[in-house]
Amino acid sequence: AQTVTQSQPEMSVQEAETVTLSCTYDTSESDYYLFWYKQPPSRQMILVIRQEAYKQQNATENRFSVNFQKAAKSFSLKISDSQLGDAAMYFCAYRPLSGGSNYKLTFGKGTLLTVNP
Amino acid sequence: NAGVTQTPKFRILKIGQSMTLQCAQDMNHNYMYWYRQDPGMGLKLIYYSVGAGITDKGEVPNGYNVSRSTTEDFPLRLELAAPSQTSVYFCASSYGQLNEKLFFGSGTQLSVL
Repeated sequence: AQTVTQSQPEMSVQEAETVTLSCTYDTSESDYYLFWYKQPPSRQMILVIRQEAYKQQNATENRFSVNFQKAAKSFSLKISDSQLGDAAMYFCAYRPLSGGSNYKLTFGKGTLLTVNP
Repeated sequence: NAGVTQTPKFRILKIGQSMTLQCAQDMNHNYMYWYRQDPGMGLKLIYYSVGAGITDKGEVPNGYNVSRSTTEDFPLRLELAAPSQTSVYFCASSYGQLNEKLFFGSGTQLSVL
């Protein structure tokens, strides 16, 4: 079974600085998607960034970028120029591209990010 | 554009009571999902639907039922509420399976006492 591990229950960063959130996963699949979702206090889940496993190039969305290491099964999220609005719980998630469970996203337990002014 | 709308936002049930969590989306999405989020945990898939009239079990379906009579609506039914069903419930939708940008509702906080 696929598992997603976020080893940092909490992280903090100073406003305008950079922070990296860690995520590792376990799978025997070769094709899959990886995601980072943000959950602010409003509770709504918001997609931050997505990475296709077949793409070697790391995904980037404005101040958010990932470091995808397929062999190491690692998928970290880097937030540059952190803003107060980035404070939230961040979830790493995995989805296989094929097979009977390909509708299912597997989520990690989350990392609570605090941004200090 | 409302997106995904869940009602109610909060609910307290007594053990053995039943209720339906409502979910509606106005984006003409084919795929809809129900997740639960327990404290300190990630989301777990309860049920999903790939279109009107088609539903299937996710990871934790026991104690729940769903129906999908229209593209827009995907209600989740709890028949005999148990304390183990205390959780935050999220409904989500996506246009296509591979376009995995899920749009989430704002959640329903359910307590079973």
